[in-house]
Amino acid sequence: DQQVKQNSPSLSVQEGRISILNCDYTNSMFDYFLWYKKYPAEGPTFLISISSIKDKNEDGRFTVFLNKSAKHLSLHIVPSQPGDSAVYFCAATLRGGYQKVTFGIGTKLQVIP
Amino acid sequence: GAVVSQHPSWVICKSGTSVKIECRSLDFQATTMFWYRQFPKQSLMLMATSNEGSKATYEQGVEKDKFLINHASLTLSTLTVTSAHPEDSSFYICSARTSGRYTQYFGPGTRLTVL
Repeated sequence: DQQVKQNSPSLSVQEGRISILNCDYTNSMFDYFLWYKKYPAEGPTFLISISSIKDKNEDGRFTVFLNKSAKHLSLHIVPSQPGDSAVYFCAATLRGGYQKVTFGIGTKLQVIP
Repeated sequence: GAVVSQHPSWVICKSGTSVKIECRSLDFQATTMFWYRQFPKQSLMLMATSNEGSKATYEQGVEKDKFLINHASLTLSTLTVTSAHPEDSSFYICSARTSGRYTQYFGPGTRLTVL
């Protein structure tokens, strides 16, 4: 049972335009969400996170939106740059316990110059 | 800040041998460390979680006798793949977080190839 779903395996965007990466989750107990970026043969790099008490968090070119009622979050990158080309993982975690993080399968973003 | 290193970055070994992978948090105290593996075109799969000074908690389906995890200090965790077989070939990634924080910081990963 995949609790964090990234239904788009890949996305191509022109440089300078907005990239929107989507993520859905099924476990309503998740209360903290993260986005990671990963280049081939490297470990994921933390990008941005959002707590369930917020609906938006912004950090430079990256903004994450959370819609709890729809169990949906999205990562917006604007303007997109060629260096943003990577695989983006959505992740979710629960408070309490040992706070295991559940990852989506990833979306490969290609930013075309 | 929040740098995690892994060593080695890649290793090739013969079937039946054991391989140890180290994960270090360089600039923070990692109260909890996680070990993941990633197969091609698949997501990160959590193998086990370890808290400093405690036994690791393994995910369902992960053999604890095959994947030995030690988290003896706040900056070092090791994963030993015992009696490695070709099907153990994968990309192993560790992550670490500090107490009270949710964000995990990942190491660069170790590519294991078992011949």
